[in-house]
Amino acid sequence: DAGVTQSPTHLIKTRGQQVTLRCSPKSGHDTVSWYQQALGQGPQFIFQYYEEEERQRGNFPDRFSGHQFPNYSSELNVNALLLGDSALYLCASSLERVNTEAFFGQGTRLTVV
Amino acid sequence: QKEVEQDPGPLSVPEGAIVSLNCTYSNSAFQYFMWYRQYSRKGPELLMYTYSSGNKEDGRFTAQVDKSSKYISLFIRDSQPSDSATYLCATSRNYGGSQGNLIFGKGTKLSVKP
Repeated sequence: DAGVTQSPTHLIKTRGQQVTLRCSPKSGHDTVSWYQQALGQGPQFIFQYYEEEERQRGNFPDRFSGHQFPNYSSELNVNALLLGDSALYLCASSLERVNTEAFFGQGTRLTVV
Repeated sequence: QKEVEQDPGPLSVPEGAIVSLNCTYSNSAFQYFMWYRQYSRKGPELLMYTYSSGNKEDGRFTAQVDKSSKYISLFIRDSQPSDSATYLCATSRNYGGSQGNLIFGKGTKLSVKP
């Protein structure tokens, strides 16, 4: 049973560019959440997608946007990259019902230079 | 005040020691509490998941929640070098469950020396 898979694993971008990160949820899961983890910090919630719609959003600017596809996979897009966007971006999948656990992928390490 | 506070350590213990990791939280409405383990350059892995107050045991790991003091703990018995990792406490803003919108502590880096 494949767990949560993310691509790419590493990425280097230049300030001002745009980036797209991808996530495939664990088999059977229908909800995808994205987190940003800066070095030495805990993950911070960006947003969550369910039924192809953004359902909840954390305290992140509109430069961060996402999408969920009919097969439940998801993309995270970040526009106008800043040096401060350098972080590990984590995708977590879960099932939309009470008391289900969230499983995390290995993350995409984004470096903005 | 941060919603979840966790001492980042680092914490270094000898093999076989009992490890105690702790977090505090600010909102009494939080009901679901998790402990994740994160190895270097990897994603977090769920270790323990508890609802409301009380204890939960799984092998060498015990999670405790004290809602009266808003305090959550993870105990590791007979610690092993393979337990060396960063441990993250978390709770969910979704008061009804459904594991989204998690709030994490900073993580405590644990090193178990042989």
